[in-house]
Amino acid sequence: DAKTTQPPSMDCAEGRAANLPCNHSTISGNEYVYWYRQIHSQGPQYIIHGLKNNETNEMASLIITEDRKSSTLILPHATLRDTAVYYCIAQNNNAGNMLTFGGGTRLMVKP
Amino acid sequence: KAGVTQTPRYLIKTRGQQVTLSCSPISGHRSVSWYQQTPGQGLQFLFEYFSETQRNKGNFPGRFSGRQFSNSRSEMNVSTLELGDSALYLCASSSTGRVNTGELFFGEGSRLTVL
Repeated sequence: DAKTTQPPSMDCAEGRAANLPCNHSTISGNEYVYWYRQIHSQGPQYIIHGLKNNETNEMASLIITEDRKSSTLILPHATLRDTAVYYCIAQNNNAGNMLTFGGGTRLMVKP
Repeated sequence: KAGVTQTPRYLIKTRGQQVTLSCSPISGHRSVSWYQQTPGQGLQFLFEYFSETQRNKGNFPGRFSGRQFSNSRSEMNVSTLELGDSALYLCASSSTGRVNTGELFFGEGSRLTVL
């Protein structure tokens, strides 16, 4: 599985867009990029995933660079409830339902 | 639709004892995986079961074991508990066989303290 690098922490003002970067420079062609988040004292929550095209759902947008070496998760209008640890994971789909979590980015949304 | 249910939510054990944790997946989900979360090591994969078969196993000692029943409910067991086994144990279920085709739904976890 490709190693991912994320900043350990970020701040964002409430109502503004939160842009969370992830570097996965060693990603291979069959590895997907997954984003999960974990709000304090809860289990992780799925946000979005993609292979090479940009993806959008009701929670967020995922922008993957053309060379696939990095990606950005965008929360368009961050709220206080988006304060959480965000995990970027890059791995292939041959691992069944196993995910390898890294350290993640602790996002603090401030009023 | 009920979410993933883990029991017990909290428990305290002493070194050398064993513990069994239970996970009831979302109805219809056949995949159940287990993770250990500690402040030092973060979230680490333990094992995954799909239709009662263990498909993947993480790098944990043999003291950690699990099983899945025909109704997809799963249990994990830790024998001869050590202080380092203190952690939040999370269970996740999925309706699909591969993580890229369906999201993992996590429970709220069982917090184990070993004294």
